[in-house]
Amino acid sequence: SQQGEEDPQALSIQEGENATMNCSYKTSINNLQWYRQNSGRGLVHLILIRSNEREKHSGRLRVTLDTSKKSSSLLITASRAADTASYFCATDKTGANSKLTFGKGITLSVRP
Amino acid sequence: DTGVSQDPRHKITKRGQNVTFRCDPISEHNRLYWYRQTLGQGPEFLTYFQNEAQLEKSRLLSDRFSAERPKGSFSTLEIQRTEQGDSAMYLCAGQRELVLDTQYFGPGTRLTVL
Repeated sequence: SQQGEEDPQALSIQEGENATMNCSYKTSINNLQWYRQNSGRGLVHLILIRSNEREKHSGRLRVTLDTSKKSSSLLITASRAADTASYFCATDKTGANSKLTFGKGITLSVRP
Repeated sequence: DTGVSQDPRHKITKRGQNVTFRCDPISEHNRLYWYRQTLGQGPEFLTYFQNEAQLEKSRLLSDRFSAERPKGSFSTLEIQRTEQGDSAMYLCAGQRELVLDTQYFGPGTRLTVL
């Protein structure tokens, strides 16, 4: 069963704008990871945030984690057309042998 | 490029046929995971190996599915008597046991059962 729920399901923005995607989950976690997937391709790891971390940055990406609300957000700043893809959050649940539980994903379209 | 490769990238088969997929992680990946992704959904866990030992199988993995990792390096996933519902993208991911965090995914094998 899928634990994560991403919000919104689809997002369309203009190039240069920021994109914010949210993820909620249900059980306690070791870490939460965000992946990107271009159509018909494999998953590309973007960033991992551990349960004892609150915020993390990587280039144009900023991830926050609120374990009390069981939610995370991914912010992509200064978006580019190449950022067009599906984005998934995945949780490594406590005691789950590191297998990942994914949400249904967010489809991001960046208009040039 | 994650260094994880999968073969074939696409497979079209007729219902009732057997298919086998292969995943080659990098040598540092003690752990290897298989996931299945259907259209419009996120990947779902199927099974995982630590070295050559298969340690967990999902309820999604029916008796028609079998996975092996004989020498703790590459892995194969076989589906016997394929059904149309098996049509999906099959993804494998490698992970270093010493750093139980990032899973590195291969490009996937897209299976179409006619």
